[in-house]
Amino acid sequence: AQSVTQLDSQVPVFEEAPVELRCNYSSSVSVYLFWYVQYPNQGLQLLLKYLSGSTLVKGINGFEAEFNKSQTSFHLRKPSVHISDTAEYFCAVSPLGYALNFGKGTSLLVTP
Amino acid sequence: KAGVTQTPRYLIKTRGQQVTLSCSPISGHRSVSWYQQTPGQGLQFLFEYFSETQRNKGNFPGRFSGRQFSNSRSEMNVSTLELGDSALYLCASSPGAGTEYGYTFGSGTRLTVV
Repeated sequence: AQSVTQLDSQVPVFEEAPVELRCNYSSSVSVYLFWYVQYPNQGLQLLLKYLSGSTLVKGINGFEAEFNKSQTSFHLRKPSVHISDTAEYFCAVSPLGYALNFGKGTSLLVTP
Repeated sequence: KAGVTQTPRYLIKTRGQQVTLSCSPISGHRSVSWYQQTPGQGLQFLFEYFSETQRNKGNFPGRFSGRQFSNSRSEMNVSTLELGDSALYLCASSPGAGTEYGYTFGSGTRLTVV
């Protein structure tokens, strides 16, 4: 079985500051890793994914994530956030294409 | 290009009733997956359909069922509704089977059971 832990339920940050949203996972098999974002009253939007290869993955809207196999982590980063980045962020793992197993989410609140 | 369309957006049902939710995937996408989102349990996988066949199923009781039509549109049905079924039901489509393609999610159907 797989599990996903998003270490922070809420992350407040000032506009133009850097941010890191942390995600750890456990799995007995190889997994694909994802970050999704959910804006209020909307569905989820794919930010980025790691399937294989380079451990640094670049996504949309300036986000990137780094896969660390030894620490079983997949932290999401952005060097400078905007007000419009305020949303709920979900980390998810998928054992080789099977269904997504989501974390509980991290609420990112960007203030001026 | 039209996104994933879920209808209706909101539903209010009474305990014991049944409900059918609809999902139209992005044109050309052949895979549809359903997820339930609640404040307590978060996002949980219900089922995945590909080319009209159920490919995977999550850990939900048999009251939850689904199907996919030849045009890739999908429906999910919940019978004998319980208060705990109140949730946002999200549909996601992708070009092929499996999560590696990345899902495109609809805005969801918010079901309230009273």
